[in-house]
Amino acid sequence: NAGVMQNPRHLVRRRGQEARLRCSPMKGHSHVYWYRQLPEEGLKFMVYLQKENIIDESGMPKERFSAEFPKEGPSILRIQQVVRGDSAAYFCASSNRETSNQPQHFGDGTRLSIL
Amino acid sequence: GNSVTQMEGPVTLSEEAFLTINCTYTATGYPSLFWYVQYPGEGLQLLLKATKADDKGSNKGFEATYRKETTSFHLEKGSVQVSDSAVYFCALSANQAGTALIFGKGTTLSVSS
Repeated sequence: NAGVMQNPRHLVRRRGQEARLRCSPMKGHSHVYWYRQLPEEGLKFMVYLQKENIIDESGMPKERFSAEFPKEGPSILRIQQVVRGDSAAYFCASSNRETSNQPQHFGDGTRLSIL
Repeated sequence: GNSVTQMEGPVTLSEEAFLTINCTYTATGYPSLFWYVQYPGEGLQLLLKATKADDKGSNKGFEATYRKETTSFHLEKGSVQVSDSAVYFCALSANQAGTALIFGKGTTLSVSS
């Protein structure tokens, strides 16, 4: 499967725990975007990364959330000390160029549930 | 700021009916416009796109025309099928390098046989 791969598909955490979400972009893609989808809502942009660099994190909450895209391996979205309001579907998308007219290709998402 | 507004659902149609899902946008400059479709439990799939005024994007019988004068990008299909049941998202990307997508809230389409 050469598509965007996200894991796990489902993640359950208790309040206060950490959640780590992984995303492997499509082969040849070096631009990764993370979005969050709350119930009955559209997707909201969180962060845009290129290899080893955070380009735009304007949509990311200032506390508890962080993202990285190392030289080797998948992109990671990390949520520390999770709270009930973090329950959502988190989607990763990738593209092969930085121009705005290039479509982004999405993974199937990680559905995070906080108990 | 940039934003996308699409008609609220759910939209319920019988098979072979005509579909229109309205989408309007607010943006500076000349954004690229997209329609994505999300089937239950899955991620978003690109349905079609248009990158400049008067462009028509089309795919799988769906069409949408980039109308700058009305800032709209309405999705249409002449004859829907049960398999078209999904959530449809209109989105824009501002004309800047690496800009993230801005989505509408999505419209749920339910087609019955």
